[in-house]
Amino acid sequence: QVQLVQSGAEVKKPGASVKVSCKASGYTFSTYDINWVRQAPGQGLEWMGWMNPKSGNTGYAQKFQGRVTMTRNTSTSTAYMELSSLRSEDTAIYYCAKRRSLTEAGWFDPWGQGTLVTVSS
Amino acid sequence: EIVLTQSPATLSLSPGERATLSCRASQSVSNFLAWYQQKPGQAPRLLIYDSSNRATGIPARFSGSGSGTDFTLTISSLEPEDFAVYFCQMRSNWPWTFGQGTKVEIK
Repeated sequence: QVQLVQSGAEVKKPGASVKVSCKASGYTFSTYDINWVRQAPGQGLEWMGWMNPKSGNTGYAQKFQGRVTMTRNTSTSTAYMELSSLRSEDTAIYYCAKRRSLTEAGWFDPWGQGTLVTVSS
Repeated sequence: EIVLTQSPATLSLSPGERATLSCRASQSVSNFLAWYQQKPGQAPRLLIYDSSNRATGIPARFSGSGSGTDFTLTISSLEPEDFAVYFCQMRSNWPWTFGQGTKVEIK
C-alpha cells in the first residue's frame, strides 16, 4: 500500500534550520508530487509548497519563500523539507502528502504521520 | 489569498444522526474543494475532492456538494468513528488554503 514515513521529532533553537524527511513506498516515487503542510498546536492546516520528484521543480507558498527548500533523493524515494531561520511561530507538526492523481494537483492523499518540530530557546 | 470559513466550529450530535458541515469561500473556487477528516494524534485523511467525489475507500455515508463559494459535507448517519475534526481545502488559486475546521463531537 502507498505509505509515507517521516523522520522523528526535532527540537531546535531560534535561528536554526530543520530538515524533515519523508520516505515513500508502495508506488513509483517519481510520478507524483510531494506536498508539505504544517499544523501549529491546536490550529488549522497551512500548505507550504510542492515538489516534483522527477524534475526537482518546486513551488512554494509566498509566506515561506526564501526560508523553505524542498528536495529529494530518487534513489531512496525520499523527499525532504528544510526550513531555515526558525522562530517560535514555526513550532508545528509538519506533514508530507502525496498528490492524489496525475490529472489534477492540489489534493493530498495519503499523508505522512507528521513530524513535530519544536522551536525553543 | 482565498479564505475558507467553516461553520459551525463545533457540532454536537449523537451516533445515528445526520451531520451537515458548511464551508464558505471568500471568492469562487468553482468545484475545486476537498474535505479531510482528522482524528486526534493522526494525520488528515482525504474524504471528498472536486466538491463531490469520494476518495478511495471512503464510505457512502459521506457526501459533498456545492460550487462557487458555498459547500457542504454531509454525513448521513454518524458512526462512532466519525467523531473527529473536518477541514475543507481549495485548490483553485495559490496558495492552496484550508478552513479552520469543524469539530464533530458526541452529544
